Parts: sequence; structure tokens; C-alpha cells
Amino acid sequence: QSVLTQPPSASGAPGQRVTISCSGSRSNIGNLYVYWYQQLPGTAPKLLIYRNNQRPSGVPDRFSASKSGTSASLAISGLRSEDEAEYHCAAWDANLSGPVFGGGTKLTVL
Amino acid sequence: EAQLVESGGGLVKPGGSLTLSCAASGFTFGSFSMNWVRQAPGKGLEWVSSISTGSGYKYYPDSVRGRFTVSRDNGRNSLYLHMNSLRADDTAVYYCVRDVDGNGGFDPWGQGTLVTVSS
Repeated sequence: QSVLTQPPSASGAPGQRVTISCSGSRSNIGNLYVYWYQQLPGTAPKLLIYRNNQRPSGVPDRFSASKSGTSASLAISGLRSEDEAEYHCAAWDANLSGPVFGGGTKLTVL
Repeated sequence: EAQLVESGGGLVKPGGSLTLSCAASGFTFGSFSMNWVRQAPGKGLEWVSSISTGSGYKYYPDSVRGRFTVSRDNGRNSLYLHMNSLRADDTAVYYCVRDVDGNGGFDPWGQGTLVTVSS
């Protein structure tokens, strides 16, 4: 049972916009930053969004994220087949002195 | 380019021990906190341990505290995870990760090393 709650799956057609939610509590999402990771099939996760809404260099601006209170969301616009992956949210937890993760959302591009 | 390469995974019997290693390159290893994160087959990610730059601070979740020990050798640009009293639910791919912003932003991730605990 993951500390952060994500929907197990999401889907969208090419070109569409899809959002993935992540829900936590005051000790994690409500306390500090949210991070998003993209895990392509058979590979290690990759940092996609840091500090709530910042994109590392090389990440397309089709990927955006936001945070409000104890929830966060990742939006992917102009969906492409190569976006098909598992997306994980994460946040530092003040009670744990370590990060907590969501269970991951498997995105299918129809 | 920062790179992390894990090694040491394998098959171990319940109750056994194993040590994972992570070789870092392409960045000043001693300037970053380092972590281990694992992913059980078909499951989500779980943080396993963190260690500060000078090894003065080490943190673990309840699931591994007292059984796992994280260490580092800044002179060798290496991170280690010593795992004792292994259980079936420790079966996972273990990733070595760098904390780039001190708040849990992990980048890069190594390719991972698989640990299987089974009799």
C-alpha cells in the first residue's frame, strides 16, 4: 500500500491531453515539493518534474505539473505513443525523513 | 554526464545476506546525498535508505531498519547497501539514486540490480 495515491491507469488518444492525480497528506505533499518520474517499459525511472512544476532540461514542455494543498497532478498534452509509460509521483515525508511514492499510473496511448 | 551503475544482486535464501554496490561517475560524488530505492515485481517504488554526504546521517523506513545498512566511500565514488536477514518481500530491483536537490529529487537512476530472496 503506497503512501501517495495515484490512479492505477490512465489513457488517451494521440494528440489528446491527459492528467494524472497524486494525493497525499500534510506531512508529505502538503509539506514540501512534489516530483514526477517517468518509467518506460523495462527501464529505470527518469526524473520528469522536480520541485512541483520544474522540468529538467530535455523534457518537452508538453509535460506540466501543479500542486495544491495535499494533492498534485501531472498533465501531458499532445499525447504521443512514446509517452506510454508508468508515471510515479513522490514527495519528501517529514515523519519518515525520507521520500514516499505513489503506486504508479500506467499510461496507455490508444 | 552523471552515471550510476549497480552490481551485486542475485539469488539468496531467506535469512541470508547480500551487499549491493553502486559505482558513480560524471559528477562530484561526495557533494550529494545518495539513496537506494527498490521496486518489487509489478509494484511501485519504495525508498530503502539515504546517506548524507559525509555519512553522518543515515535514514531507513521501518521495513528495513535494523536489517539494512547503507554506507559510502567518497574516495572510491561508491555507495553500498548491506542487507541482512533477507525476506521474500525484499525481492525487488534495487536502484541507486542521487538526490540532486536535497529534497528527494532523484536523478539519475542506475539501471538497477535484481535481488531475489527464495529458497
